[in-house]
Amino acid sequence: NAGVTQTPKFRVLKTGQSMTLLCAQDMNHEYMYWYRQDPGMGLRLIHYSVGEGTTAKGEVPDGYNVSRLKKQNFLLGLESAAPSQTSVYFCASKTPLLNTEAFFGQGTRLTVV
Amino acid sequence: RKEVEQDPGPFNVPEGATVAFNCTYSNSASQSFFWYRQDCRKEPKLLMSVYSSGNEDGRFTAQLNRASQYISLLIRDSKLSDSATYLCVVISPSRGSTLGRLYFGRGTQLTVWP
Repeated sequence: NAGVTQTPKFRVLKTGQSMTLLCAQDMNHEYMYWYRQDPGMGLRLIHYSVGEGTTAKGEVPDGYNVSRLKKQNFLLGLESAAPSQTSVYFCASKTPLLNTEAFFGQGTRLTVV
Repeated sequence: RKEVEQDPGPFNVPEGATVAFNCTYSNSASQSFFWYRQDCRKEPKLLMSVYSSGNEDGRFTAQLNRASQYISLLIRDSKLSDSATYLCVVISPSRGSTLGRLYFGRGTQLTVWP
């Protein structure tokens, strides 16, 4: 089972460049999330979605946009990358049921120079 | 105030030791609680759910105290392979703007030495 797949795994961007991170899940989950993880900061929620066609802002949404055109995919876009966006990005998905776990992708290591 | 507060550690313990982590949450209406484990440079993975009556899985015991709004994780007979970061996760009430939100603690780093 693929579970949650993130592409790419690694990327180096120059300041001002744009890119899209793709998260795909094959578990038919309604809920999907994008987090960033920085040393000493834990996981911080960027954006999330509770269903196809819906998105919502998390704790640190500035500089990012998302789209959920298909239930299985959740895209995270950086329109104009900044060094402050250097981080490890994790996608996760989950069913709406309360006591069910969230499954994470393997992460994308992004460096903005 | 953060939704979930967690002592970041680090905890450095010898093999065979018992170690406990706590995590407090601010929203008394929070509904579900979990402990996740994250190995270095890997994604978080579910360690165990936390049930109201407390639950045990081998050497791991999770407790929930709703009155004091904290959850705990106890690891007995620590192994070298237990070295990781442990994250507590709280699910907010499922209504309005917080529908579907997961709140993570910052993680507690554990190192078990021989």
